[in-house]
Amino acid sequence: AQSVAQPEDQVNVAEGNPLTVKCTYSVSGNPYLFWYVQYPNRGLQFLLKYITGDNLVKGSYGFEAEFNKSQTSFHLKKPSALVSDSALYFCAVRGGFNAGKSTFGDGTTLTVKP
Amino acid sequence: DGGITQSPKYLFRKEGQNVTLSCEQNLNHDAMYWYRQDPGQGLRLIYYSQIVNDFQKGDIAEGYSVSREKKESFPLTVTSAQKNPTAFYLCATTQRQEEVYGYTFGSGTRLTVV
Repeated sequence: AQSVAQPEDQVNVAEGNPLTVKCTYSVSGNPYLFWYVQYPNRGLQFLLKYITGDNLVKGSYGFEAEFNKSQTSFHLKKPSALVSDSALYFCAVRGGFNAGKSTFGDGTTLTVKP
Repeated sequence: DGGITQSPKYLFRKEGQNVTLSCEQNLNHDAMYWYRQDPGQGLRLIYYSQIVNDFQKGDIAEGYSVSREKKESFPLTVTSAQKNPTAFYLCATTQRQEEVYGYTFGSGTRLTVV
């Protein structure tokens, strides 16, 4: 079975500082990894994905994520956080025998303080 | 959001009632999904459909039913057998069922039992 872990329920950073939101995964076969963002009372929005190729993936709103196969991790990063980045972030994985569906982590609430 | 319409935005259900949540898409996407979101538990898959007239149970299908008579529509019925239906329900689509495609989400329906 595939699974995703987001070890931090909450991440707090100051505006202008770099941010990291952590994600680790478990899947049979090649992993297809995704990050989504959710604002209050809204659906999730796609940020970026890793399918194959370069381990550093760039996405929307200046976010990027680093795929590390040996550590089975896919951490979300941004060099300089904005207050408007404050939201709930979800990591998801597809692949292996459950390719038809995604499995999501429990989410990490990011708060960026001015 | 985008080409996915979920209605209603808010729904109230009395004990013992069945209610149906609507999900309509004009993206011409093949696959459609229903997820349930509870605080601190991330997203859990209820049902998904990869083609018309076919659907599969997800991880928490008990007390729910779906149909996929048209490519554009994937309604979810919450039956009286679902003992704790209060949650935020999200409909999602993908262009194809293959792993490389991320999800597009609707804006959600918040269901409350009164």
